[in-house]
Amino acid sequence: ETGVTQTPRHLVMGMTNKKSLKCEQHLGHNAMYWYKQSAKKPLELMFVYSLEERVENNSVPSRFSPECPNSSHLFLHLHTLQPEDSALYLCASSQVGDLFTDTQYFGPGTRLTVL
Amino acid sequence: SQQGEEDPQALSIQEGENATMNCSYKTSINNLQWYRQNSGRGLVHLILIRSNEREKHSGRLRVTLDTSKKSSSLLITASRAADTASYFCATDARAGGSNYKLTFGKGTLLTVNP
Repeated sequence: ETGVTQTPRHLVMGMTNKKSLKCEQHLGHNAMYWYKQSAKKPLELMFVYSLEERVENNSVPSRFSPECPNSSHLFLHLHTLQPEDSALYLCASSQVGDLFTDTQYFGPGTRLTVL
Repeated sequence: SQQGEEDPQALSIQEGENATMNCSYKTSINNLQWYRQNSGRGLVHLILIRSNEREKHSGRLRVTLDTSKKSSSLLITASRAADTASYFCATDARAGGSNYKLTFGKGTLLTVNP
């Protein structure tokens, strides 16, 4: 257990569905991250929130919409996804003084399949 | 190409043997981290080495860093079947101003056979 939980652990959705992924960290950290992990590709950073403000967005398609209501919770809202969006979505958190350089603690991930 | 690249992509050894994985990167860094991932699970931080350090130990792990060659190695001694996992290096690279980005490689898949 790393202190970061993600729900659901598995999700199957059609291209017209709307769903949300949830992440919660119990570590008192002030930064949270969404990553996408596809087969045979490096981990891709999608979004970063620090002190509940989005500070990094690597040109992710608008069908992915993050929300960070407080420093402990992070959501990823999904709508009209494509089959190529099927992947393992990982949430992470860290305590940052100097942004991005600190150890990140990962949740177990949500395995998303888009039909 | 990505900042960190692990080598080899896959490694298969017998229990009790040592496993060595390498990571090369392209730009200057402040620190380099190694993470481990069991199949379909999240990443777990193993060890962090700063740019002014050359070697670091943690239990059966030994990490070296050569900033002149922009490379790092992770050595796992006396491997166990439970060490079977993917291992990733992650680097932070200055990306303009004072912001840094943690970038992961594709990983080395280590299989330890009983």
